[in-house]
Amino acid sequence: DGGITQSPKYLFRKEGQNVTLSCEQNLNHDAMYWYRQDPGQGLRLIYYSQIVNDFQKGDIAEGYSVSREKKESFPLTVTSAQKNPTAFYLCASEIGGGYTFGSGTRLTVV
Amino acid sequence: DAKTTQPNSMESNEEEPVHLPCNHSTISGTDYIHWYRQLPSQGPEYVIHGLTSNVNNRMASLAIAEDRKSSTLILHRATLRDAAVYYCILIRSGAGSYQLTFGKGTKLSVIP
Repeated sequence: DGGITQSPKYLFRKEGQNVTLSCEQNLNHDAMYWYRQDPGQGLRLIYYSQIVNDFQKGDIAEGYSVSREKKESFPLTVTSAQKNPTAFYLCASEIGGGYTFGSGTRLTVV
Repeated sequence: DAKTTQPNSMESNEEEPVHLPCNHSTISGTDYIHWYRQLPSQGPEYVIHGLTSNVNNRMASLAIAEDRKSSTLILHRATLRDAAVYYCILIRSGAGSYQLTFGKGTKLSVIP
């Protein structure tokens, strides 16, 4: 079955560390997105990519970086510059306005 | 982007119908009304969408007001598995880049 896979499901980061969250899709969708969700809040857009080798900043891109070397993959790196990274991170792919979301990665700073 | 307004929370008894309202008074003619729901610790999942006419699928029905300034998601018989946060979102046709704006949604509690 086609879908989006995010890994790991849970991730713990020490202060000052960079960590990378994986997002893979086999839906053949061109567009992919990364969102951040804090408790009791809606989703906020971090980065998005409409095509391979191209990506754009969203509303809260500071402290994050992405790459889009393959259509299937859109990894997100949370850098040490992100001062409050503890959150639930969601990856999505989209075609024609229809979104498919992954099951999320919960990142905790320890 | 056009904005939507939803109640923060609603309750329903199990096996009763649920009507989840959404106001979108600034909707434009090319905005589609989408509903997603998010179960705890999961990513949002698509529920239903429509433009002008009422829509039905196996999950729910969507009733759209004649002036399109409001809509209602209808779950015909709520089950415990329907307890989730429901988001009403407008997506503009032909915009080229669909950056969804999720508000806080409506948290639906289902009482056994």
